[in-house]
Amino acid sequence: DAGVIQSPRHEVTEMGQEVTLRCKPISGHDYLFWYRQTMMRGLELLIYFNNNVPIDDSGMPEDRFSAKMPNASFSTLKIQPSEPRDSAVYFCASSTGDSIQYFGAGTRLSVL
Amino acid sequence: AQSVTQPDIHITVSEGASLELRCNYSYGATPYLFWYVQSPGQGLQLLLKYFSGDTLVQGIKGFEAEFKRSQSSFNLRKPSVHWSDAAEYFCAVGARNFGNEKLTFGTGTRLTIIP
Repeated sequence: DAGVIQSPRHEVTEMGQEVTLRCKPISGHDYLFWYRQTMMRGLELLIYFNNNVPIDDSGMPEDRFSAKMPNASFSTLKIQPSEPRDSAVYFCASSTGDSIQYFGAGTRLSVL
Repeated sequence: AQSVTQPDIHITVSEGASLELRCNYSYGATPYLFWYVQSPGQGLQLLLKYFSGDTLVQGIKGFEAEFKRSQSSFNLRKPSVHWSDAAEYFCAVGARNFGNEKLTFGTGTRLTIIP
């Protein structure tokens, strides 16, 4: 099993640019989660999907953030426009619904 | 709403010494409880979980944790640490509600191992 795959691993962009982070969950997992990790705020849940449908997006910080899951094997998290305060490590995780989440290696985003 | 407290931000232990990392949770009933480990530059890896039954649970890498309902605690232990155990450790709590798959994570404890 390849695990949860995230791309890119590192992203450096300039303020105002659009950023797209990608995630491929483990095959057969029907829950997908997006988290953000910073020193100040720790690990925050942004949004999670069940069967490609967003279930809880209460953690999405503002309208600049959007997430989609067009099919069971792919999800994106988009930031438009990006700001320096969005700099963080973004994690994707997936689960079969047994409450055990499996994490990807993360995308380290730097917005200059 | 559930919450998790990890009172120790940073712990330093000598290699070969025993380890205990503290975790306290707040939840209206018996929650699902987890410990995850994060090595530098990596994602979180599940060490162990408690759902029900025996309150002492065994995990990977020689770790164990004990659920104590009376203390609302789920402390992580290892009898003898190895240099490779240096990492950040996160305790997490999940609700026992069907369809609610959210986990709430603590702020983490950074473990440093000295020779």
